[in-house]
Amino acid sequence: QKEVEQNSGPLSVPEGAIASLNCTYSDRGSQSFFWYRQYSGKSPELIMSIYSNGDKEDGRFTAQLNKASQYVSLLIRDSQPSDSATYLCAVLGSSASKIIFGSGTRLSIRP
Amino acid sequence: GAVVSQHPSWVICKSGTSVKIECRSLDFQATTMFWYRQFPKQSLMLMATSNEGSKATYEQGVEKDKFLINHASLTLSTLTVTSAHPEDSSFYICSARDLSTDSYEQYFGPGTRLTVT
Repeated sequence: QKEVEQNSGPLSVPEGAIASLNCTYSDRGSQSFFWYRQYSGKSPELIMSIYSNGDKEDGRFTAQLNKASQYVSLLIRDSQPSDSATYLCAVLGSSASKIIFGSGTRLSIRP
Repeated sequence: GAVVSQHPSWVICKSGTSVKIECRSLDFQATTMFWYRQFPKQSLMLMATSNEGSKATYEQGVEKDKFLINHASLTLSTLTVTSAHPEDSSFYICSARDLSTDSYEQYFGPGTRLTVT
């Protein structure tokens, strides 16, 4: 079992709709969770971090965390073509020594 | 805030030569920096964790004598690819943690594209 699992996609969403990206993790002691966006040929960019159960909203982005289910998600409202990218889920393990990245979900917003 | 730079952004070198890549945190101090490698259409692969003033910790399968890491100050880490070969051609990306926060957030540099001919 991978430490951080994501569906590789591609996930195709119409412009203006809500894109829902999901991630599960195996280390039950993990406390910090992150979402990064990576455009093709570029380095990852931090878009959200979440530490407590529940929802955290930042503009069009909402991160959701459920530690009991070991599940993290990212919702993107009013999806725009510029949101087309690979989204990486990242989890800081219980040892707090390094962040483990998922392999990413490729999101495509169709006009 | 939380800006990380890398230099050079791209480099082409001949097989057998060495290449040094610099990673700098511009507006914060970073006791820990990370070096990643990413091949086309593949996921990030952590190569090593660089700690200021001490030896780097390498991931399993990464040759420490080939990928030399030096973290000389709280704002600078360098990766030297020694005796580079075409299979070392890849996108090398560093990241850094902001020492002043407890958030463990990592900020990435823009990456260095290495091509070995």
